[in-house]
Amino acid sequence: EIVLTQSPGTLSLSPGERATLSCRASQSISSSYLAWYRQKPGQAPRLLIYGASSRATGIPDRFSGSGSGTDFTLTISRLEPEDFAVYYCQQYGSSPWTFGQGTKVEIK
Amino acid sequence: QVQLVQSGAEVKKPGASVKVSCKASGYTFTSYDINWVRQGTGQGLEWMGWMNPYTGNTGFAQKFQGRVTMTRDTSTSTVYMELSSLRSEDTAVYYCARGKEYDTLIAHYLPPAGMDVWGQGTTVTVSS
Repeated sequence: EIVLTQSPGTLSLSPGERATLSCRASQSISSSYLAWYRQKPGQAPRLLIYGASSRATGIPDRFSGSGSGTDFTLTISRLEPEDFAVYYCQQYGSSPWTFGQGTKVEIK
Repeated sequence: QVQLVQSGAEVKKPGASVKVSCKASGYTFTSYDINWVRQGTGQGLEWMGWMNPYTGNTGFAQKFQGRVTMTRDTSTSTVYMELSSLRSEDTAVYYCARGKEYDTLIAHYLPPAGMDVWGQGTTVTVSS
């Protein structure tokens, strides 16, 4: 099973600032089958990025993904109020699909 | 619009089973896998398994093998997830989510693109 480790656990930033979230895999993820999700309190997760760097439908361009192999990054260029939430990475290249433990982006 | 609508909250006793439904609309039901993901209170996300509504094929995380069953009703575009032998640790919100696209003409999956549509979640509470 591929273990995903996200860092940091919590990121304290102000609106308008840049956020950089990391996701490291215990083994290489095939074909960069790595996704990022945002989850607001009391809501279902929402797909932001798939294939490590492709934005999902309707996702604004302030969200970008990069990386390959075992190291992946989600960058939010300018934080909007709705971006203060928990972010999860997920790999879907190898069964069982697994999620990272999450990074909480909170208002500083 | 494309959406998945799940059944309502359930309260079950330890040892019982629960069956959660996920009704799809706004797209061709048999063209996409449905996945199930759960989230314990204050916890992260845990993938349980998938079902291909066209073929009926399923796949489960080893942790749930033998305890989870997934079925579908193509006449109502609904997938069901049943979890048996419930214990307190199964208390969680259960989500269905649309996954890989399946080309029924060539019987082959397109390249996967994450889980792009999610149900609203079903709270399952296991308590004596």
